[in-house]
Amino acid sequence: GNSVTQMEGPVTLSEEAFLTINCTYTATGYPSLFWYVQYPGEGLQLLLKATKADDKGSNKGFEATYRKETTSFHLEKGSVQVSDSAVYFCALIPNSGYSTLTFGKGTMLLVSP
Amino acid sequence: NAGVTQTPKFRVLKTGQSMTLLCAQDMNHEYMYWYRQDPGMGLRLIHYSVGEGTTAKGEVPDGYNVSRLKKQNFLLGLESAAPSQTSVYFCASTLSGSGNEQFFGPGTRLTVL
Repeated sequence: GNSVTQMEGPVTLSEEAFLTINCTYTATGYPSLFWYVQYPGEGLQLLLKATKADDKGSNKGFEATYRKETTSFHLEKGSVQVSDSAVYFCALIPNSGYSTLTFGKGTMLLVSP
Repeated sequence: NAGVTQTPKFRVLKTGQSMTLLCAQDMNHEYMYWYRQDPGMGLRLIHYSVGEGTTAKGEVPDGYNVSRLKKQNFLLGLESAAPSQTSVYFCASTLSGSGNEQFFGPGTRLTVL
């Protein structure tokens, strides 16, 4: 079956630090990969996505590269801000024959001034 | 566009009571989903629908029923609420299943006493 594994949090960083949140996956076929972000008290929002191997998704300074050889989609940001404090979810959906996302358990990021 | 809206935002029930959560979307999306979010568990799919008049079970369907009588609405029902159903419930929608972004509602926080 399909599964997503994320590093457990919380991840605690100081402002302007470098961020990496690891995500690896197991999937049937060749999935599309997503990072969603959930700010306190809100629903999930799409942060970025990649639909095929070697694609790089990017948004708001965050990046993630689809690595088929290591089945990974790690989230990175060069300089985090306090406003980036949120829960980050990695997710996948196979590109054919499926209609449901598989989510990781989420990683909380706390950024202090 | 309002996007995905959920009603109510908060609810407290006693064990054995029933209720219906309403999800509405104005993006003409075919697919709609109900998730529950619990600490340390990430998001788990309860039921989903790939079109008006169709529904399917997700990962954790027991104790819930759904209906999709109109394309824009997806209802989640609890016939006899249990404390184990205390959770935050999110609705989502997407144009089609594969590779597309899911848009999430703001959530309903349900407490069952």
